[in-house]
Amino acid sequence: NAGVTQTPKFRILKIGQSMTLQCAQDMNHNYMYWYRQDPGMGLKLIYYSVGAGITDKGEVPNGYNVSRSTTEDFPLRLELAAPSQTSVYFCASEGGGELFFGEGSRLTVL
Amino acid sequence: QKEVEQDPGPLSVPEGAIVSLNCTYSNSAFQYFMWYRQYSRKGPELLMYTYSSGNKEDGRFTAQVDKSSKYISLFIRDSQPSDSATYLCAMGKGAGSYQLTFGKGTKLSVIP
Repeated sequence: NAGVTQTPKFRILKIGQSMTLQCAQDMNHNYMYWYRQDPGMGLKLIYYSVGAGITDKGEVPNGYNVSRSTTEDFPLRLELAAPSQTSVYFCASEGGGELFFGEGSRLTVL
Repeated sequence: QKEVEQDPGPLSVPEGAIVSLNCTYSNSAFQYFMWYRQYSRKGPELLMYTYSSGNKEDGRFTAQVDKSSKYISLFIRDSQPSDSATYLCAMGKGAGSYQLTFGKGTKLSVIP
């Protein structure tokens, strides 16, 4: 079992560029989440999904978009990257009340 | 006042020490409480999960919840260098982790 897989692990973007962070899970979980983690700031929820075709905003959704066409995949799209989006991004799926996290994607916007 | 307050540390202790990690909260709607452990450059992983006031023990780890004081703690007995990590408290108001609020995390180092 791979669990939750995130790609890429590292990425440097220039201001104004766009990119997609990929997330896939093989546990057949309906609920999936995207968080960002800034130093000393804990985890902030960006978007979440309760199943294929259903997504909703979290605490900090501005500058991001998501889609959920399958149970397995939950990509996060960054449009017009800004330095404020420099962070570590974690994807998670939920099973039995427990969050299972990927290893994170470190994004730097210069 | 923030909903969840957690001292970010860092906290450094000698191997074998008892460690106490704490979070306070202001919202009485929180019904369940979790501790996640996060090793450097890894995703968090669930360590302890409890609904009610009182203590819950799992090996060297004890989670304590005091709803009347709005205070939760994680105790680590006989701490080991492998316990060196950041510990995040998390609290939920209802079903679904989209309702979780995380603390900022406390970075713990256990020195051999």
